[in-house]
Amino acid sequence: AQSVTQLGSHVSVSEGALVLLRCNYSSSVPPYLFWYVQYPNQGLQLLLKYTTGATLVKGINGFEAEFKKSETSFHLTKPSAHMSDAAEYFCAVRTTGNTPLVFGKGTRLSVIA
Amino acid sequence: DGGITQSPKYLFRKEGQNVTLSCEQNLNHDAMYWYRQDPGQGLRLIYYSQIVNDFQKGDIAEGYSVSREKKESFPLTVTSAQKNPTAFYLCASSVKTSGGANEQFFGPGTRLTVL
Repeated sequence: AQSVTQLGSHVSVSEGALVLLRCNYSSSVPPYLFWYVQYPNQGLQLLLKYTTGATLVKGINGFEAEFKKSETSFHLTKPSAHMSDAAEYFCAVRTTGNTPLVFGKGTRLSVIA
Repeated sequence: DGGITQSPKYLFRKEGQNVTLSCEQNLNHDAMYWYRQDPGQGLRLIYYSQIVNDFQKGDIAEGYSVSREKKESFPLTVTSAQKNPTAFYLCASSVKTSGGANEQFFGPGTRLTVL
């Protein structure tokens, strides 16, 4: 069975600092991996996804993530945090077909001025 | 504009009443999903449908029911059997492909409060 673990339910960074949100997955077959962002009282918006090929994936709003098979990780990073990055971030995994995405519990990112 | 519409945005109901949450999409997606979101618990799958007139239970289907009579619509009914229905409900859809690379698109959500 697939599962996702997001380390840290809440991460706080200063404006301009590096953002690192951690995601580890469990899957018996090669996974497809996704990062979503959610602003308060809104739906989820796709930031980026890993399917096949290049393991470093670039997304919207300056975010990127690197798929590391040996570490079963897909951590999300951004070199310089902006106040507008404050939101909740979800990592998700799927292995095949149209099965629903399996989500982690989310990490709330706070950005301090 | 293509997208997913959920209505209403906020919904208040008395305990013991059934309530139906609407989800409509004009993306021509085959698959649709319902998730429940509670603080600190992430998204938990209630039901999903990969084709019209067919749907499958998710991890927390008890106390909920769905129908899929049209490709565009996937309403969720929260019944009186659901013990703790107050939550944020999210509808999503995706294209149907043989692989797993297709992302899910989400609606804006409905916040249900049972008084």
